[in-house]
Amino acid sequence: ILNVEQSPQSLHVQEGDSTNFTCSFPSSNFYALHWYRWETAKSPEALFVMTLNGDEKKKGRISATLNTKEGYSYLYIKGSQPEDSATYLCAPTLTGGGNKLTFGTGTQLKVEL
Amino acid sequence: DAGITQSPRHKVTETGTPVTLRCHQTENHRYMYWYRQDPGHGLRLIHYSYGVKDTDKGEVSDGYSVSRSKTEDFLLTLESATSSQTSVYFCAISLGAGWGQPQHFGDGTRLSIL
Repeated sequence: ILNVEQSPQSLHVQEGDSTNFTCSFPSSNFYALHWYRWETAKSPEALFVMTLNGDEKKKGRISATLNTKEGYSYLYIKGSQPEDSATYLCAPTLTGGGNKLTFGTGTQLKVEL
Repeated sequence: DAGITQSPRHKVTETGTPVTLRCHQTENHRYMYWYRQDPGHGLRLIHYSYGVKDTDKGEVSDGYSVSRSKTEDFLLTLESATSSQTSVYFCAISLGAGWGQPQHFGDGTRLSIL
């Protein structure tokens, strides 16, 4: 079973704060790293897929970076808003194991007014 | 919208009964997946399919079987349901034919086994 770790497990911030989370994954046999946003009572929604070492992706106030050599990715949210409250999941795809994802347990973000 | 429909959306059944959940897609995507969501575990892969009649096990496949006789339908069967299989089940498709494409999820099926 692949070990995918996310930290912190949960986070409470104030509106307007910037925040970041970490995803750690095995660096061997890396193919791609996915980030998903999961609001309560909804389905997970894809944010980014990154494949190259040093890759950076941005979507509005959310951005992500990737280090495939050391096996980690950071997700940043700039100027958090209450609508950013959700669980953020990361999941690597590795070569040799089929086109499948192994999800971390997520970072639960709560943005308060 | 990637056009995924899960059915039923909710089901309550008794221990020992067989249960089949259906995932239907309308856009001819090759890869389909079944996950379960449990507190403290996040999303865990049960089985996945890479084509008609082509399936493989995921992390938590014991007690589950799948079938894909048509591109559009991926069925998950609990052969003899147990209380430990009470969960929310999500179907997903991989958007695009290649590896590493983002996955799009259905709305989920809430299954309770008494």
